[in-house]
Amino acid sequence: DVKVTQSSRYLVKRTGEKVFLECVQDMDHENMFWYRQDPGLGLRLIYFSYDVKMKEKGDIPEGYSVSREKKERFSLILESASTNQTSMYLCASSLLQVGELFFGEGSRLTVL
Amino acid sequence: QKEVEQDPGPLSVPEGAIVSLNCTYSNSAFQYFMWYRQYSRKGPELLMYTYSSGNKEDGRFTAQVDKSSKYISLFIRDSQPSDSATYLCAIRGNFNKFYFGSGTKLNVKP
Repeated sequence: DVKVTQSSRYLVKRTGEKVFLECVQDMDHENMFWYRQDPGLGLRLIYFSYDVKMKEKGDIPEGYSVSREKKERFSLILESASTNQTSMYLCASSLLQVGELFFGEGSRLTVL
Repeated sequence: QKEVEQDPGPLSVPEGAIVSLNCTYSNSAFQYFMWYRQYSRKGPELLMYTYSSGNKEDGRFTAQVDKSSKYISLFIRDSQPSDSATYLCAIRGNFNKFYFGSGTKLNVKP
C-alpha cells in the first residue's frame, strides 16, 4: 500500500517560533510537494522538489523554506511562524513525469 | 481562465442515489486525471486515476473522461452516508504541475 506519512497531525505554535513539518514517502517517487489548503482558497503549492537537494518555488513560497536531503524525505520549514500561516499543510509525492499524486494525512498548524 | 473548474456545491442527496460530480478543464493536451475524496480534517485520498479518455470503474465508482468536451466526471452508485465528503478533481499538466478543482461538498442523507 502506497504511503505518504506526515509526522505531526496537529501542532500549536507561537508567533515567531521555528516550525518543522516532516514528510516521508515509501514509493521511491522523484517528486515531492508541499501544499497548504485553506477554506475558499483551495490547494496552493508552496514548494516542490524533483530530486534530492533540488527545490522549486511554487505559488506561495514566501515565509517558507524546504529541505530534501534524502529521496524519501521532504521537510517544510517556517523560519518564524506567523498567524497567517495557520492552515492545513499537505505533503504529496509522484513519479517524475507520469502518474498520479498521492497525499499524506495532513498537518493542521495553528499559530497563536 | 482557470485550468480546472469545479462546481463547489454543496450537493445533498438521499441514500441510494446516483451522484454525478463534474469538472471542466481548459487544456486539451492534459492526459492524466484524478479524483480524490477528502473527509473533514484529513488529507485527500486518491479514489480514481484515469489516463487519456474513456471510462474506469472501481466498485461503486466510475470515472469518465470526455476529451472532446474537456469534461471529467465521477459517478457514485448506491451512495452511502459514508460517502459524505468533499470530492476534488485534479489534472496533471506539464512540468510536474498539478491542477485542482475547488472541490464539491457532498452530503448523503440516511
